[in-house]
Formats: sequence, C-alpha cells, structure tokens
Amino acid sequence: GENVEQHPSTLSVQEGDSAVIKCTYSDSASNYFPWYKQELGKGPQLIIDIRSNVGEKKDQRIAVTLNKTAKHFSLHITETQPEDSAVYFCAASRAEGKLIFGQGTTLQVKP
Amino acid sequence: NAGVTQTPKFRILKIGQSMTLQCAQDMNHNYMYWYRQDPGMGLKLIYYSVGAGITDKGEVPNGYNVSRSTTEDFPLRLELAAPSQTSVYFCAIRQGSSETQYFGPGTRLLVL
Repeated sequence: GENVEQHPSTLSVQEGDSAVIKCTYSDSASNYFPWYKQELGKGPQLIIDIRSNVGEKKDQRIAVTLNKTAKHFSLHITETQPEDSAVYFCAASRAEGKLIFGQGTTLQVKP
Repeated sequence: NAGVTQTPKFRILKIGQSMTLQCAQDMNHNYMYWYRQDPGMGLKLIYYSVGAGITDKGEVPNGYNVSRSTTEDFPLRLELAAPSQTSVYFCAIRQGSSETQYFGPGTRLLVL
C-alpha cells in the first residue's frame, strides 16, 4: 500500500525566513497531494493541494511543488510569520479520497 | 469546522466498555471519513463511506464498526475498548466533485 514519509519532524525558523517541508510517496498511482495545517486542539485544515498533472501551485506565501518521477512533493512557505507556527501534514491519495498522511512537521516561527 | 460536528469532545472509557462517536454534517456531502491520530503522528483512515448505505474499510479498521443510514450521520462504534484505542478521532467530509476534505474538531478518547 501507499506510504508517505515526511521530513523534517521539527523545523524552527526566524520570522521572515522561508520554510520547506518535504514528503515522498511510494504509490506511483497516487494523484492527489494535499497539505494540512493543524493548530493545537483543532482538526487539520487544508492550506494547499496539487494534482499529479500539475508541477507547481502557488497561493500567496504558500507553494507546493511535485516531482512525479522522483515521487516527492514539497511545501514552501515564504516570509514566515508567528501565526504560521503549527503542525503541517502532507498526504497522498489515489482514489475515493483515502488519504495516507505523513508523520507531521512541527514548525516554529520565532519572532 | 466546515459544517462537521463531533460529539463528545472528550471521553474516558474503561477497558472492555463500548461507545459510539458521533459525526454529523449539514453540508449534504456524499463522502464521510473516520481517522484516528495518535500522539505525535499523522492521521490514519479507519473507515469511510461514499454515500448512505455504503461503507468500506480504511488502513486500521480492526476494533471499530460504522454505519451510514443517512447522508448526515456517520457514527463510529467501539465495541470492546482497548488501551490501544486511546487516540484523537477525526471525522471528515468531502463532496464528490472535489478532492478537498473538511475535518471536524475531533473527539479525544482515553481508554484506561
């Protein structure tokens, strides 16, 4: 079955710096790759997603890149702010929305 | 939480007890999912449903049961609670025409 590996597990950056989180997946048939942000005590919230027919997608300070050949995708956050501090999860799915999640990255943005 | 309600918010169970975690939506979405999240880990899919009357297993279905008699509700049943079921349980919904899943606020379950 599908397996998603996420790195790093923790990331600390200074406010204004960029943050990059990387994920690899094993199932070449996976075609949908969302990124979720989870704040303490809350459910995950979708921040950006990408489909396998697209190489890059951007939404203001957030971007996601996908390399299908290498089976990896990355989240890029530019100009980080303290409110970006949270746990971020990548996921992959191939059908019916059965998401396989990575282990999560705790991002700390220091003012 | 995008129209997803989960009850209770928190529950302590004794080993061997049973309970039902409730999930309700007011968005009329076809797809509903149950995930569990263990401390410091990602979410794992327990069961899902593509519509009323249709359910299927996810990655970690053992020890759980579900039913989907209406579009709005998707309860998750634990028959014989075990300490390994201590976790936070999230329900999610999705419209068939979109990939986006919207998560509820979660139910924290402690089995002692």
